[in-house]
Amino acid sequence: QSVLTQPPSVSAAPGQRVTISCSGISYTIGNDFVSWYQQFPGTAPTLLIYDTYKRPSGIPDRFSGSRSGTSATLRITGLQTGDGADYYCGIWDAGRGAVFGGGTKLTVL
Amino acid sequence: EVELVQSGPEVKKPGEALRISCEASGYSFSRYWIGWVRQMPGKGLEWMGSIYPYDSDVRYSPSFQGHITISADKSSSTAYLHWSTLEASDTAMYFCARHVYCNDGVCHTTDNWGQGTLVTVSS
Repeated sequence: QSVLTQPPSVSAAPGQRVTISCSGISYTIGNDFVSWYQQFPGTAPTLLIYDTYKRPSGIPDRFSGSRSGTSATLRITGLQTGDGADYYCGIWDAGRGAVFGGGTKLTVL
Repeated sequence: EVELVQSGPEVKKPGEALRISCEASGYSFSRYWIGWVRQMPGKGLEWMGSIYPYDSDVRYSPSFQGHITISADKSSSTAYLHWSTLEASDTAMYFCARHVYCNDGVCHTTDNWGQGTLVTVSS
C-alpha cells in the first residue's frame, strides 16, 4: 500500500478539465520535489511535471501541477482522447527514497 | 539524446538467479543516479533502489533490501539488477530510470525511463 494516496480513477469528456490529487506528502523546507508521470498500457512512464509545477520540454501547458498543504494536484485541461492513461505522483523522501502514489486511471469519455 | 535500453524478457524458475541490464547512452553515465522500479501485473510503481555509478553508492528500498543487488559498470555505461534466488512473486515488469537534480542521494525527479524488462518466474 502506497503512502501517497491517489483516487483510483477519474473520468471526464473531451475538452473538459480534470484534476488528480495526491495526498500524504510530508513537505520539508525547500523540498517541493513532487513529480507526475503518465503511463500508457504496456509502456514506460513518462515525466509530465517535476518540482510540483515545472514541465519538461515537450510537455504541453495543458498539464499543470500545484500543491496545497500535504497534497499535490495534477490538472489537465482541454482533455483529449489520447490523454487516457494511468497517472502517478511521486516524491523523493530523504528517509525512504523514491515513493510513488498508487496511480489514477484517467478515462476520457 | 538520453536513452536507456534494457535487456529482453526473461522466463525463469523459482530459485534461479537472474541479472537484467540497462545500457545508458547520450549522457555522462557516471554522474547521474540510476534506479530500478518494479511494476507487478496490473499494479503501480514501486521504487526498488538506485545507484550512483561514479562511486557505486547504492540506496535500497527497505522493501527490497536483501533480496536484490544493484550494480553498475562505468566502462559499458550499464546498470544491473540481480536476484540470486527468484520467487514467483518477482514476476513483474522492471524499469530502469535516470534520476536528476540529485544531492547526496536525494533527487528531484526521474526524467528518462528504459522500455522495461518483463520477468516471469514460474515453475
